[in-house]
Amino acid sequence: EPEVTQTPSHQVTQMGQEVILRCVPISNHLYFYWYRQILGQKVEFLVSFYNNEISEKSEIFDDQFSVERPDGSNFTLKIRSTKLEDSAMYFCASTGDRGPSEQYFGPGTRLTVT
Amino acid sequence: ILNVEQSPQSLHVQEGDSTNFTCSFPSSNFYALHWYRWETAKSPEALFVMTLNGDEKKKGRISATLNTKEGYSYLYIKGSQPEDSATYLCAFRTGAQKLVFGQGTRLTINP
Repeated sequence: EPEVTQTPSHQVTQMGQEVILRCVPISNHLYFYWYRQILGQKVEFLVSFYNNEISEKSEIFDDQFSVERPDGSNFTLKIRSTKLEDSAMYFCASTGDRGPSEQYFGPGTRLTVT
Repeated sequence: ILNVEQSPQSLHVQEGDSTNFTCSFPSSNFYALHWYRWETAKSPEALFVMTLNGDEKKKGRISATLNTKEGYSYLYIKGSQPEDSATYLCAFRTGAQKLVFGQGTRLTINP
């Protein structure tokens, strides 16, 4: 069964460093998302991406964040200069259409900023 | 600000018992309600997407109902098994793409 994959599963970085989190969405999907969950808090939306453009972003998704689909398979989230408060589990998701269909989630990347 | 609440936050149930828990969401601008099952270190697994008031969906021993007018959904598990132990998340969607999640109900099945 097709699945969303994410690498790495755990990333430790120092404050101020750049990190890139990688996702491979399901191959025929067109809509891509990043969510995150800070420990003890709710899963929260960061950004949605369609047709090589950001279609929606949250207040969290400021200039320190960017997303890219560099080729036909990968979808990346870059944090330019990490802060301690960026420590969270980051989830990638994808779906095939705009309608009320399931968003399929990857297993997440745990980012720890020290 | 859209707020989605789930109750209870955690639940311990004896194997074989049935259980249910609640997701509350805004009753306006409703588009869809999603339920996910999430085991630690795995991907959240999509259970149901519900769109119509009065919807009832079923997958094996798990079922869900939806009341959009009053803004709640129930998830039921019949005859709980140890493999049902997980966190169950609901997520609300308006016409936009983003999902707004509740905090989850952590279910533990005691053998």
